[in-house]
Amino acid sequence: DAGITQSPRHKVTETGTPVTLRCHQTENHRYMYWYRQDPGHGLRLIHYSYGVKDTDKGEVSDGYSVSRSKTEDFLLTLESATSSQTSVYFCAALSPGRASTDTQYFGPGTRLTVL
Amino acid sequence: GENVEQHPSTLSVQEGDSAVIKCTYSDSASNYFPWYKQELGKRPQLIIDIRSNVGEKKDQRIAVTLNKTAKHFSLHITETQPEDSAVYFCAAVTNAGKSTFGDGTTLTVKP
Repeated sequence: DAGITQSPRHKVTETGTPVTLRCHQTENHRYMYWYRQDPGHGLRLIHYSYGVKDTDKGEVSDGYSVSRSKTEDFLLTLESATSSQTSVYFCAALSPGRASTDTQYFGPGTRLTVL
Repeated sequence: GENVEQHPSTLSVQEGDSAVIKCTYSDSASNYFPWYKQELGKRPQLIIDIRSNVGEKKDQRIAVTLNKTAKHFSLHITETQPEDSAVYFCAAVTNAGKSTFGDGTTLTVKP
């Protein structure tokens, strides 16, 4: 699966605590993404990055921040977790123009529960 | 921003029948349209995709059509099998790399 890993894979935390999720890729993809997936909503884009230190907001960015200090790592931070942020979080990466498609490859997902 | 609508939300077919899922998009800057299959508890996997300069693409039992003027694209699965049962997502990706997903279609293929 294109060398994309996420950590942790599962996390339970309490309301008000900070949480950081990590996405790591080994294929030198230029673009990286964070999505959340909730029943009935498909995959919703939180933030994405189009290069080191270059990020932009997605449709559900409130309450989340990201950082990308090197190509292979994209961090998602919940500054103060809320119960509404309980979800499954997927990281994805792609390289426009590489190979024959612009396929987004997904990580295995992180299940976050905020109590 | 981009808005992608996907229909139907659930689809049940008999094994061997065809299944069609339709998506519409709003942003004319979208130029790449992938389809993903997601099985329960797993990550989305690309099954087929199409670029805006192509009207149709086929890969064995799966095909995708794109109508750029009407801003809609469709997934066609022929000769469905029970293992095709999953949630299918369409997406629209702009040339700036920003992607928007539909809400998904739960396909059930009854043996």
